[in-house]
Amino acid sequence: DQQVKQNSPSLSVQEGRISILNCDYTNSMFDYFLWYKKYPAEGPTFLISISSIKDKNEDGRFTVFLNKSAKHLSLHIVPSQPGDSAVYFCAASANTDKLIFGTGTRLQVFP
Amino acid sequence: EAGVTQSPTHLIKTRGQQATLRCSPISGHTSVYWYQQALGLGLQFLLWYDEGEERNRGNFPPRFSGRQFPNYSSELNVNALELEDSALYLCATPDRGYAYNSPLHFGNGTRLTVT
Repeated sequence: DQQVKQNSPSLSVQEGRISILNCDYTNSMFDYFLWYKKYPAEGPTFLISISSIKDKNEDGRFTVFLNKSAKHLSLHIVPSQPGDSAVYFCAASANTDKLIFGTGTRLQVFP
Repeated sequence: EAGVTQSPTHLIKTRGQQATLRCSPISGHTSVYWYQQALGLGLQFLLWYDEGEERNRGNFPPRFSGRQFPNYSSELNVNALELEDSALYLCATPDRGYAYNSPLHFGNGTRLTVT
């Protein structure tokens, strides 16, 4: 049972444009959501999080949007840079002791 | 402050053998989480240790086990290795407390290959 889904395995965006990565979840009890970035041969790096009491959180070029009614969250990267090329994972938790991760979306930013 | 460190970086084992993976959390952090990332899959929760005790485990067979030492470092043991155990094993510690409402900080992982 995949409670957190990232339906796009890959995304290609031109440098300077917006990257939008999407994530859907099924468990209505999730109330804390995060995005991680992962480069090859490294562990995932925390990017940004959002609590269910908010619908938007912004940190520099990164903004996470949460739509609770649709059980959907998205990560916007503006402007996209070549160094943003990585695999992005969304994750969620529900007042429990573990994070549930999606399968990841590979973002490629080209010049 | 050193981050989460894992060893070895790579490990090659034969089917049926045992593998031992090690993790040192961020200094002063008492919780350690283990995740498995198999090819094409997301991170699957394996085990959670806190204050030396196993607090929760994911949907993995009993041949996946581990322990946490008094200095909060942790060991993951995989017995009777199967080919499908080939994966990246990641260790993580939360910013504060446990993983709820707190980002996890990951090590670089151990790449286990079973032949």
